[in-house]
Parts: sequence; C-alpha cells; structure tokens
Amino acid sequence: ETGVTQSPTHLIKTRGQQVTLRCSSQSGHNTVSWYQQALGQGPQFIFQYYREEENGRGNFPPRFSGLQFPNYSSELNVNALELDDSALYLCASSWGSETQYFGPGTRLLVL
Amino acid sequence: AQSVTQLGSHVSVSEGALVLLRCNYSSSVPPYLFWYVQYPNQGLQLLLKYTSAATLVKGINGFEAEFKKSETSFHLTKPSAHMSDAAEYFCAVRPDTGRRALTFGSGTRLQVQP
Repeated sequence: ETGVTQSPTHLIKTRGQQVTLRCSSQSGHNTVSWYQQALGQGPQFIFQYYREEENGRGNFPPRFSGLQFPNYSSELNVNALELDDSALYLCASSWGSETQYFGPGTRLLVL
Repeated sequence: AQSVTQLGSHVSVSEGALVLLRCNYSSSVPPYLFWYVQYPNQGLQLLLKYTSAATLVKGINGFEAEFKKSETSFHLTKPSAHMSDAAEYFCAVRPDTGRRALTFGSGTRLQVQP
C-alpha cells in the first residue's frame, strides 16, 4: 500500500511568482486536505477536496486555490507569492471524514 | 469554534522517565481528538486517536492518552521515554459534524536526555 506522496520536496520562489504543489493520496482514499505549517507553529487548515469538489476552506485568501483529479490526487496553487507564504505545506488524505494520513510535505521558501 | 491548547512548548525528560504532554481542547460538540508526531524534516505521523469508543486510547510506540470530558483534556503519556521519542508532538481536534478539518495545537517539542 502506497502512502501519501508530495512533490517537490523543496522549492525556492521569489515574491510575486506562482507555485504549484502536488499530492498523491493513499490508495483507497477519496479526500485530500491541505495544511500550511509555518516555522515553529502547528499546521493550519487551507482547504479540503472530496470527490473533486472543495469541501471546506480555512482562513486563507483566494490566491490559494486547489484542484482534485479523478484519481483523487490534488494540486495546491498559490499566486502572487508573499514572503509569509514560506512554510511547510502538508497534504493529508483520508476516506471521507475518517482519519487523515499525512505526506512528508513540501518546504517552500519565498525570497 | 474549536481550539486546542498544548501546555509547554518544550518538555525535557531523562531516558526511562515518564513522558507527559498536556493537551486541553475547546469544542461545542463532542470532538474527535488526535495526537500526531513530527520528526525533523518530516510530515506528521498518527500516534493515536479518540473517537468516543473508549476513554483510554493506546497508540503506537507505547504511547497512550486518556480523554477526560470533565477536564476537557487529552494528555499523552508514555511510561518510559526512549531517545527515539525526541520529536515535536501535536494535539489536534476535529468535529464530528460539519467541516471535518483538523485544528492543531502549537506543538510540544520533547527532548530526551541520556
């Protein structure tokens, strides 16, 4: 059974650029949630996708957007990057509302 | 709205000593509660979860947690610390209805001294 995978592992961007992060959910899971973890803090919920539809959103601006594909993999897109977007981005997959299992994360640095 | 408070951003214990990491939650509905562990430069690994089946929950690596509704607590314990337990631990809460997102505490870094 394959766990949650994320790509890339690390990324460096400059302010104003756009970035796309990718997540492959665990086999059998149909829900993907994205979290942002700033340095020294707990993860903050960005949004969740269930069967290709957004199923809830945290307190993040619209420049954070996402997508879920028919195979339940997912993308997180961030436009107009700001310095404060530097963080570890975590993807978690689950079967509906069941327990969420996390990937290793993508570390984004915005210069 | 739900929230989680983890008391103590850093906890240091000696190898073989009791580990106690504190978590208090605030929730207007019966919650699901979780403990996750994060090793350096890695994602989150589920240690254990409370889903109302039993108040004492056993997890992986010898950890357990007790749900106390009267104290709104879900503290994590391990009888004997091992060097490999050194990591960041996060308590999280999730409602049983509505948006099923996890709300995390700010984390507790556990240091294990030889």
